[in-house]
Amino acid sequence: KQEVTQIPAALSVPEGENLVLNCSFTDSAIYNLQWFRQDPGKGLTSLLLIQSSQREQTSGRLNASLDKSSGRSTLYIAASQPGDSATYLCAVRPSGFQKLVFGTGTRLLVSP
Amino acid sequence: DAGVIQSPRHEVTEMGQEVTLRCKPISGHNSLFWYRQTMMRGLELLIYFNNNVPIDDSGMPEDRFSAKMPNASFSTLKIQPSEPRDSAVYFCATRGSSYNEQFFGPGTRLTVL
Repeated sequence: KQEVTQIPAALSVPEGENLVLNCSFTDSAIYNLQWFRQDPGKGLTSLLLIQSSQREQTSGRLNASLDKSSGRSTLYIAASQPGDSATYLCAVRPSGFQKLVFGTGTRLLVSP
Repeated sequence: DAGVIQSPRHEVTEMGQEVTLRCKPISGHNSLFWYRQTMMRGLELLIYFNNNVPIDDSGMPEDRFSAKMPNASFSTLKIQPSEPRDSAVYFCATRGSSYNEQFFGPGTRLTVL
């Protein structure tokens, strides 16, 4: 059974710092991995999708990497801003399945 | 496109009542997912439709839960009778093709008293 873990559970940084959020999964047989952002009381916003054959994806200040063999992904946020404050969720789609298996999230607070 | 539309956004009901949650997918998306989010269990898939056909309902907790997708532009998730432990945020998500990402609606926050 695929399990997804995110570390740390919470992170507080001053504005301008570069930071890394970690995601690990127990079964390397995945189809893709998706990073989401969730603001309090809101839905999920898709940030980046990495297919199993890819190593990384970039969008603006965000860069996500994938090491399928070791069961790890990282989300790098450059020059953090207060508007980046949210919960970040990692989700993997296991091979042969359509569903996403979610991690428990990292709650990020960026202080001005 | 307006994105995935869910209604109602908030629902408060009493134990034993029937609850119906609604979802309108993004036009052209042929896969639809219902998820439930709780503090204890995080986000979990309840059911998945492809081309309006239920494919995987293994996450539906019990017979009190049912879901339908009568056409490509509408889906419902029904709980009858509702119980306090059903209190959660229910999300609908859709996807355009197998290679693409899932897009989530704003969710319905359900409170069962």
